Amino acid sequence: DIVMTQSPLSLPVTPGEPASISCRSSQSLLHSNGYTYLDWYLQKPGQSPQLLIYWGSNRASGVPDRFSGSGSGTDFTLKISRVEAEDVGVYYCMQGLQYPHTFGQGTRLDIK
Amino acid sequence: QITLKESGPSLVKPTQTLTLTCTFSGFSLSTSGVAVGWIRQPPGKALEWLALIYGNDDKRYSPSLKSRLTITKDTSKNQVVLIMTNMDPVDTATYYCAHRRDWTYDYWGQGTLVTVSS
Repeated sequence: DIVMTQSPLSLPVTPGEPASISCRSSQSLLHSNGYTYLDWYLQKPGQSPQLLIYWGSNRASGVPDRFSGSGSGTDFTLKISRVEAEDVGVYYCMQGLQYPHTFGQGTRLDIK
Repeated sequence: QITLKESGPSLVKPTQTLTLTCTFSGFSLSTSGVAVGWIRQPPGKALEWLALIYGNDDKRYSPSLKSRLTITKDTSKNQVVLIMTNMDPVDTATYYCAHRRDWTYDYWGQGTLVTVSS
């Protein structure tokens, strides 16, 4: 199985400040077709996970442009340019390249 | 508009078999490249992928749970069923079904909490 490792696991942020979450995979997530199958999800309190970023760097429909994804191979980053109160929750990275699909441990973002 | 909803028992006893149904709308499993997957989340813990089924009946399972899982579909009813045998208290979790297309889970159900207890 591909192991996904996130850091930090807890991220207190002041509103208006930036935030960054790292995700590393135990194997490259680059497919032979040139795409990288790394997604980011946000699970707000009491809700289902919602897709934020797909294929490493593409924002899902309706996701604010303060969210951005970057990285390649085995190292990926989710950045929030200016954190807002509605961004609290647990962020997960997930690899969709190989079965079984695997998730990171989650990073809990809360407001200072 | 794509929607998915999980249904099934909220409480099962140890050793019993769990049957969960995902009823969806807004898409067809017959569409090429579309699949429905199951993911679970124990209380306070991370997400864990369980199984996936495509419209051509291609099925994938978590290796650690493969012996206990069966995933099936009823395309005419727009449903996907997950069966998990020999339930244990460690299987207590919220179970989600999700739509997968273009290698991404882009729509998720609301989840259903299943508690395993005698």
